[in-house]
Amino acid sequence: GAVVSQHPSWVICKSGTSVKIECRSLDFQATTMFWYRQFPKQSLMLMATSNEGSKATYEQGVEKDKFLINHASLTLSTLTVTSAHPEDSSFYICSASGQFNQPQHFGDGTRLSIL
Amino acid sequence: GENVEQHPSTLSVQEGDSAVIKCTYSDSASNYFPWYKQELGKRPQLIIDIRSNVGEKKDQRIAVTLNKTAKHFSLHITETQPEDSAVYFCAASQGGSEKLVFGKGTKLTVNP
Repeated sequence: GAVVSQHPSWVICKSGTSVKIECRSLDFQATTMFWYRQFPKQSLMLMATSNEGSKATYEQGVEKDKFLINHASLTLSTLTVTSAHPEDSSFYICSASGQFNQPQHFGDGTRLSIL
Repeated sequence: GENVEQHPSTLSVQEGDSAVIKCTYSDSASNYFPWYKQELGKRPQLIIDIRSNVGEKKDQRIAVTLNKTAKHFSLHITETQPEDSAVYFCAASQGGSEKLVFGKGTKLTVNP
C-alpha cells in the first residue's frame, strides 16, 4: 500500500518551455502532498505544500508564479514549471501521506533538464 | 524554522562493521524523525522512524535513538553489507504527515 506515482520520470526541453509534473496517490487519498527539489549531491529541499482544494503554501524563496501547484483532487497534485530555464534543471520529487501522522511516501521523482 | 544538521557527510566502513550517523534538530516542537535511504537517481525510501515518545527503536540491523533533551537522534547500522551503500538522510517534522526538513545527507560506502 501507500504507492505514490510520479510522471514523467524524465523531461528534456528547451529554455522557455513550461513543464507539468504529475503526482498521484494510487491506493490512498492524500489531502496534502509535498513537492521537493533536489540538486545533484544535495539534500531534498521543500518547495511547497500542496493542499487539496486550496492554494499551495510555498517555502521562503520559492517563486509561486514560476512553480504553479494545483491539487484538484485527493489523489492528484501537479507542479508546473513555467518558462523553465537551465537553472531550473533538477530532480523534483513529490510525497504524500495517506493518514494523519503516518509516514510520507515518495514518488519516483522527475529529472528535469532544460537546455 | 526547523534546522537539521547531519554528520558525517561521508562515511566509509568495512563490510561487517557498524555505521553511525548523527543528526541534531533545533525546533523543540518537532516530534517525528524518519531516516531515508536514497540510491543514485532513485526515490528516498523510509528505512526507520522514531517519534518523540520513544527513546529507541530497532528493526533487524537498523536502530535509531533519540535524545529529546539534547535534540539529537542517531542511526545505527550493524553488520553492514555492500548493499547498504547509499546516501542516508535524516529528517524532522511535527508529525508524520507534516512537512519534512532534511539533513544534508551522509554518503555511506561499505567496502567488501
